[in-house]
Amino acid sequence: QLQLQESGPGLVKPSETLSLTCAVSGGSVSSDTYSWGWIRQSPGRGLEWIGNVYYTGSTSYNPSLRSRVTISVDTSKNQFSLQLSSVTATDTAVFYCARWHVNMLVFDHWGQGTPVTVSS
Amino acid sequence: EIVMTQSPGTLSLSPGERGIVSCRASQSVSSSYVAWYQQKPGQAPRLLIYGASTRATGIPDRFSGSGSGTDFTLTISRLEPEDFAVYYCHQYGQQYGSHLRTFGQGTKVEMK
Repeated sequence: QLQLQESGPGLVKPSETLSLTCAVSGGSVSSDTYSWGWIRQSPGRGLEWIGNVYYTGSTSYNPSLRSRVTISVDTSKNQFSLQLSSVTATDTAVFYCARWHVNMLVFDHWGQGTPVTVSS
Repeated sequence: EIVMTQSPGTLSLSPGERGIVSCRASQSVSSSYVAWYQQKPGQAPRLLIYGASTRATGIPDRFSGSGSGTDFTLTISRLEPEDFAVYYCHQYGQQYGSHLRTFGQGTKVEMK
């Protein structure tokens, strides 16, 4: 059974870089049927798509975050990662990793989510 | 960017009643690109419907989706206690060579 597990610091200082990793088990990030995405959720912004990465390393990003976001994949470790730079308090959110089905065009499996607070 | 606007913000219903959640796109979208998710407190969203009307694996048939163009609807035919949750519409689109995903702001279905 597919499982996605987010990990990373729960507290990040303003202006620093938020880094999260999503470990995938029960499936392979190298499948050509899926890409892998990050979504965040906060009371003020609701659900906000951040970006996706394909196993080849090809990425797509939310234009509103593109200048600050890097998403990468490590096929050897079967995981993918998010970096969000120059964070501010408005980046405080629950961050989810999820699998994107390239044919169904949906996020069909999600991690449980990890809360990240930006504060000094 | 296509904006998905849901209505109502909150729906107060009793078990056994029918619930209808609407989602309007700011411009016409392919029905293939519209999905619905359910989220319960403390949990990640769960896929309910994709392609506007196809139920995901394991989703009860009391959930149905419909619509085309700019107007899409999620219907819960008879609310069960476990259906009280927040529902989000979602669309996938392409703009300026980018593959974008956007969510509606959510509709809370609460018990009256």
